[in-house]
Amino acid sequence: DIQMTQSPSSLSASVGDRVTITCRASQSISTYLSWYQKKPGKAPKLLIYTASTLQSGVPSRFSGSGSGTDFTLTINSLQPEDSAAYYCQHSYISPHTFGQGTKLEIK
Amino acid sequence: EVQLLQSGGGLVQPGGSLRLSCVASGFTFSRHAMTWVRQAPGKGLEWVSDISGPGATTSYADSVKGRFTISRDNSKNTLYLQMNSLRAEDTAVYYCAKDRDLIPMAQGDYWGQGTLVTVSS
Repeated sequence: DIQMTQSPSSLSASVGDRVTITCRASQSISTYLSWYQKKPGKAPKLLIYTASTLQSGVPSRFSGSGSGTDFTLTINSLQPEDSAAYYCQHSYISPHTFGQGTKLEIK
Repeated sequence: EVQLLQSGGGLVQPGGSLRLSCVASGFTFSRHAMTWVRQAPGKGLEWVSDISGPGATTSYADSVKGRFTISRDNSKNTLYLQMNSLRAEDTAVYYCAKDRDLIPMAQGDYWGQGTLVTVSS
């Protein structure tokens, strides 16, 4: 199975900051990677798919990059509503595992 | 408007069974893969299973393989998850999700509201 490792596990940043979350796959997954935002009590929200394609309706301050084994999710100009957990997930081959998540706190 | 309405959760004893349902509307159900994802209390997201649009291809996490069965009835726009031999570690909120594509691509663009499954004696 392909393992997905995110870093950091948690971070704290201020409104207006730029934050980067990384996701590393245990083997090459090309660009078969999605990013999700998860808030308590809410369903996950798709932010990015195929590593860098912004899902319709998602603010442009979110961006994704990477291919192969290393990927990043970048949030520019952090907003209070960005406080959430963020997960990467691959779809290269079953099982389509998630990373362990990154909890983002807004100071 | 795309909607996914889940039902079927609840309290069940270890070793018991439960069937989750997810009724879809607002899109051509048979043209999209569907996925089940769960989140145990205080834990991260866990992919459980997915199924292709026609229903011919299914996949399962190792943790549920042989106990859970995903299926769909495209005539009823409904996705199912039959859960047998339930264990305490299956306790979680279960979500269904619509994939952007016909085949599972882990691109869940619409999600159900989630349903809590509690396995306890």
